[in-house]
Amino acid sequence: DSGVTQTPKHLITATGQRVTLRCSPRSGDLSVYWYQQSLDQGLQFLIQYYNGEERAKGNILERFSAQQFPDLHSELNLSSLELGDSALYFCASSVAEFLDDGYTFGSGTRLTVV
Amino acid sequence: AQKVTQAQTEISVVEKEDVTLDCVYETRDTTYYLFWYKQPPSGELVFLIRRNSFDEQNEISGRYSWNFQKSTSSFNFTITASQVVDSAVYFCALISSTGRRALTFGSGTRLQVQP
Repeated sequence: DSGVTQTPKHLITATGQRVTLRCSPRSGDLSVYWYQQSLDQGLQFLIQYYNGEERAKGNILERFSAQQFPDLHSELNLSSLELGDSALYFCASSVAEFLDDGYTFGSGTRLTVV
Repeated sequence: AQKVTQAQTEISVVEKEDVTLDCVYETRDTTYYLFWYKQPPSGELVFLIRRNSFDEQNEISGRYSWNFQKSTSSFNFTITASQVVDSAVYFCALISSTGRRALTFGSGTRLQVQP
């Protein structure tokens, strides 16, 4: 168990719908990162939050948004879903705002859009 | 811009063979970190090693070893006496001390170890 908890593990939804993925970071970690792993794009960085504030943005679509709450858990919201959004979504956490010893990844949420 | 290239898409070996997974990286930064992650069939990403750009010492951990060569911008990973449990996708990744502070991953190498 990495200490980073992602829920749900699996999600199947229809095109056009909206879903929320949840991530609880490892105890003591202030940074949360979201990554998407798809067959055509590989592993891509989406967004980072540190202590409740957005810190870095990657290749995140406008239909996607995220936030980090006061208890440091984070949610990734995906709306107007398309077939191409089907992917494995990983959350990772670290103590510092900038990488120190590396990330600890959660086990991922597998999203299937049908 | 940063880039990580894993030219080997898939490698198949027979158990007990040694296998080397190649990783070539590009970055303009002088301070950076290189990583290897393992993704078994269950899907999670398992951290294997982190190496900073100032430490070119090779590292050995059991059957795993890593060869970091700045001169060729490579960070190769060798599994000695491979086992079926080593079957997984292996990712090399890079993060620099400036910029987005996010991991740039290679496309991964799928390793199949046959019994």
